[in-house]
Amino acid sequence: GAVVSQHPSRVICKSGTSVKIECRSLDFQATTMFWYRQFPKQSLMLMATSNEGSKATYEQGVEKDKFLINHASLTLSTLTVTSAHPEDSSFYICSVTSGFYQETQYFGPGTRLLVL
Amino acid sequence: ILNVEQSPQSLHVQEGDSTNFTCSFPSSNFYALHWYRWETAKSPEALFVMTLNGDEKKKGRISATLNTKEGYSYLYIKGSQPEDSATYLCASHRGAGGTSYGKLTFGQGTILTVHP
Repeated sequence: GAVVSQHPSRVICKSGTSVKIECRSLDFQATTMFWYRQFPKQSLMLMATSNEGSKATYEQGVEKDKFLINHASLTLSTLTVTSAHPEDSSFYICSVTSGFYQETQYFGPGTRLLVL
Repeated sequence: ILNVEQSPQSLHVQEGDSTNFTCSFPSSNFYALHWYRWETAKSPEALFVMTLNGDEKKKGRISATLNTKEGYSYLYIKGSQPEDSATYLCASHRGAGGTSYGKLTFGQGTILTVHP
């Protein structure tokens, strides 16, 4: 399977600041990357799907102007949480897929965001 | 239902015990069912991708079965070991006409703790 890294693993920021999270596919050309969010005791919830070189597709209820996604290459996608607020505190995790049959998703280790 | 439900939420077993847990998923527009194993502070690891009704897959001491008509899958662990302690996630993958919708919907997971 693919090896996926995320940076940073943890971040604490003040309310109103923006935070960028990177997701890198280290050994795999990822045509599609997914961004998920997990609140305590809840399941992984898909936020958006991004395809290299095109605009991300956001799930219902996810503000595209607040969660900016850039997928500029087959190995890098970034999620920027703009003007973060305490309610944005969560666990953010990305996954990659080649888009082939069965489309197994390979996950990064996640980023814990705490907004004070 | 379009939700994915897993039970039990958590499970404590003794080393050597065999155990199993359940994933219920929407039977309509079925494309695939994914199982992941997620150890603390690591990336979720893909265990199985199951596509055929009645399918059974095995990886070492872990196996899974699939019933697409009634919308459930069982994961079995034979002779549990402490290193099996993790959260086990299932995810529903839907589609139509042989084409995937491209998204996974995750259950909340079953937290397994194996005591030495």
